[in-house]
Amino acid sequence: KQEVTQIPAALSVPEGENLVLNCSFTDSAIYNLQWFRQDPGKGLTSLLLIQSSQREQTSGRLNASLDKSSGRSTLYIAASQPGDSATYLCAVRNTPLVFGKGTRLSVIA
Amino acid sequence: DVKVTQSSRYLVKRTGEKVFLECVQDMDHENMFWYRQDPGLGLRLIYFSYDVKMKEKGDIPEGYSVSREKKERFSLILESASTNQTSMYLCASSSTSGGTYEQYFGPGTRLTVT
Repeated sequence: KQEVTQIPAALSVPEGENLVLNCSFTDSAIYNLQWFRQDPGKGLTSLLLIQSSQREQTSGRLNASLDKSSGRSTLYIAASQPGDSATYLCAVRNTPLVFGKGTRLSVIA
Repeated sequence: DVKVTQSSRYLVKRTGEKVFLECVQDMDHENMFWYRQDPGLGLRLIYFSYDVKMKEKGDIPEGYSVSREKKERFSLILESASTNQTSMYLCASSSTSGGTYEQYFGPGTRLTVT
């Protein structure tokens, strides 16, 4: 059974830092991997989706990479801002999505 | 932009009541999903549907049922609400065409059962 782990569970950084969030999964036979953002009490917002044939995707200050063979993905956030404070979840698609428990990010001004 | 809407943001119900949570998407997506989210447990899949009148059990279907009579609407039903069903409920949809299956979520319904 697919398991998705996100480490660390919580992270606090000063504004302006570049940071990396980690996601690992146990079964490399995935269809794709999706990163989401969730603000407190709200739904999930899709940030990036990486197909299994791709190595990375970029959107603005965000860059997500995928290494299927090692069962890992990273979400890189450049020049972090207080508005980036949220919980970030990764999910892998076998059928259907399997979610990690998220990393709660706080960016301190 | 894909829009997924849920009928209520907050709902308070009594134990034993029948509860309906409605989800509507406006992008003609084939696939729809219901999750619940609890602290420390993350998102867990309750039911999903790949087409009208089709449904598949997820990881935690006990105590729930679903209905998909129209492509755009997916309803979650709590037949007899219990306090352990107090949770955040999230609906999502995705398309089969294009091959990405990217999931889009609604704003969530915070259900409290007293």
